[in-house]
Amino acid sequence: AQSVTQLDSHVSVSEGTPVLLRCNYSSSYSPSLFWYVQHPNKGLQLLLKYTSAATLVKGINGFEAEFKKSETSFHLTKPSAHMSDAAEYFCVVSVLVGGYNKLIFGAGTRLAVHP
Amino acid sequence: DAGITQSPRHKVTETGTPVTLRCHQTENHRYMYWYRQDPGHGLRLIHYSYGVKDTDKGEVSDGYSVSRSKTEDFLLTLESATSSQTSVYFCAISGVGTDNSPLHFGNGTRLTVT
Repeated sequence: AQSVTQLDSHVSVSEGTPVLLRCNYSSSYSPSLFWYVQHPNKGLQLLLKYTSAATLVKGINGFEAEFKKSETSFHLTKPSAHMSDAAEYFCVVSVLVGGYNKLIFGAGTRLAVHP
Repeated sequence: DAGITQSPRHKVTETGTPVTLRCHQTENHRYMYWYRQDPGHGLRLIHYSYGVKDTDKGEVSDGYSVSRSKTEDFLLTLESATSSQTSVYFCAISGVGTDNSPLHFGNGTRLTVT
């Protein structure tokens, strides 16, 4: 069965310091993986996606994620946090079910950025 | 931002009343989805559509129905609203359902059932 585990429900960093949001997945197949960000009262915005082309994926706003098959991980990182990065982040695995891609969401990690 | 509009943005309704939420897209995408978001659950798929008049159930479809009479519109109906359906509802679209295309989401509808 496919599943996604976000290891931290809350992460707090200071502005200018690195960000690490951790995600482990379980999949019987070669997965497609995504990170989405959700700002308050907004929909989800795609940060980046992995679809087996390259293990290090660069996304928008300076975020990147590395796919590690041996560790079944897809952690999201950013070298230097900005106040505007404060939001909730979702790790998502996509699996093909019948005729569509079923998205399985992690429970989310809320990132707080302090001055 | 992908052209997705959800209406209404907020609604309060009483238990037992029918409610319809609307999702309108301007991208001409084939696939449309309805999700609900609840604390601790991430997003869960209610129903999806893979074309006009073609719909199927997601993982939490009980108590919900959908219709898609035009490519651009996907309606979600709560036949008889219950308090457990208080949630934030998101519509999403994607161009193709089988090539790992990411979804683009609307800004959500906050529904409160009293």
